[in-house]
Amino acid sequence: QLQLQESGPGLVKPSETLSLTCTVSGDSLSSSSYYWGWIRQTPRKGLEWIGSIHSSGSTYYNPSLKSRLTISVDTSKNHFTLELTSVTAADTAVYYCAKDGLGGSGTTNWFDPWGQGTLVTVSS
Amino acid sequence: DIVMTQSPDSLAVSLGERATINCKSSQSVLYYSTNKNFLAWYQQKPGQPPKMLFYWASTRKSGVPDRFSGSGSGTDFTLTISSLQAEDVAVYYCQQYYRTPVTFGGGTKVEIK
Repeated sequence: QLQLQESGPGLVKPSETLSLTCTVSGDSLSSSSYYWGWIRQTPRKGLEWIGSIHSSGSTYYNPSLKSRLTISVDTSKNHFTLELTSVTAADTAVYYCAKDGLGGSGTTNWFDPWGQGTLVTVSS
Repeated sequence: DIVMTQSPDSLAVSLGERATINCKSSQSVLYYSTNKNFLAWYQQKPGQPPKMLFYWASTRKSGVPDRFSGSGSGTDFTLTISSLQAEDVAVYYCQQYYRTPVTFGGGTKVEIK
């Protein structure tokens, strides 16, 4: 059964870098033709797609975050990571990782399944 | 970006009654060459991640009860729960994947009256 698990610091200081890892079990990133994504959720802005990555390293980023964002994949560890630089309080959110719902499409589609999510608070 | 607008923000429905949730996109998400609408629906219960219910606007994910249905085309879509059950209390979201950035609606909270 496919499972995704987010991990990383729950508290990040303003102006620093937020780093999260999504570990995948029950599927192999190296043999997958799917994209894998990050989505965040806040009470104010709701659900916001951050970006997605393919096992080949191909990425799609939300333009609103692109200048601060890096998503990478490590197929040997079967995980992918999110780095968001120069964070502010506006980046406080529950961060989810998820599998794209349509393999081989070459782009981002729906998300299924999702990890349980991890709350990241940006505060000094 | 394609803006997804859901209505109502919340609704209270009696057990066994119909619940209808609307989702409108700021531009069409219908891809004419395939006649597919690039729209998904999700259910999120408190403390849980969103769970996908429908893709291509009306294709039900395996295991989703058939009291749930998705319909619509172009810019106007509907999620219907034909006979509300207690376990359906949740927030429901639509999402377009016609164009990146993919975008979500603001959510509709469904409660029991």
